[in-house]
Amino acid sequence: EAGVAQSPRYKIIEKRQSVAFWCNPISGHATLYWYQQILGQGPKLLIQFQNNGVVDDSQLPKDRFSAERLKGVDSTLKIQPAKLEDSAVYLCASSLGLRGTGGGETQYFGPGTRLLVL
Amino acid sequence: AQRVTQPEKLLSVFKGAPVELKCNYSYSGSPELFWYVQYSRQRLQLLLRHISRESIKGFTADLNKGETSFHLKKPFAQEEDSAMYYCALRPRGAQKLVFGQGTRLTINP
Repeated sequence: EAGVAQSPRYKIIEKRQSVAFWCNPISGHATLYWYQQILGQGPKLLIQFQNNGVVDDSQLPKDRFSAERLKGVDSTLKIQPAKLEDSAVYLCASSLGLRGTGGGETQYFGPGTRLLVL
Repeated sequence: AQRVTQPEKLLSVFKGAPVELKCNYSYSGSPELFWYVQYSRQRLQLLLRHISRESIKGFTADLNKGETSFHLKKPFAQEEDSAMYYCALRPRGAQKLVFGQGTRLTINP
């Protein structure tokens, strides 16, 4: 079974530019997560989707970050405009989502996209 | 507030020695606790969860609600255990994970 796919793997941009990341979850997984991992820290949830609806985006900086999952499968995360402090690894994860917003499911992580903002 | 603290950023032990990675949490209810591991050049993956009460690759972790801890232990470390370890909490009723800052474990030959 193929795992969570992410692209690009690396991206270098200048501040104030825009950037987009793509994630393809494991087939059949209804729940998709985007995490931000700053160097030296653990991953922090940015946004969680259940199918194409947003479950939790409380920690998403909505003035510059946006995310969508239009058809309930692939997802894109966009930053516009980027700031220096956005330099991080952006992880996408997915889980079956059979339990709605309840707990108990394993999250499977992608390889991440490493973003450097200069 | 939900918080996970891993007090050691780096931990180095010799092969065959016991290892303990510390994890403390702050949560007002009864959380679900996990350990995730990231080996070199690999993805973050689940190691074990407290609900399963299982031993994976010789590792165990016991949830101590009184001390709000979920330390990861292995009696005899192996070189292949060298990795980054993250403790994580899942609030009841949610699916998101709250991670600690991680501990880099190095097993010396």
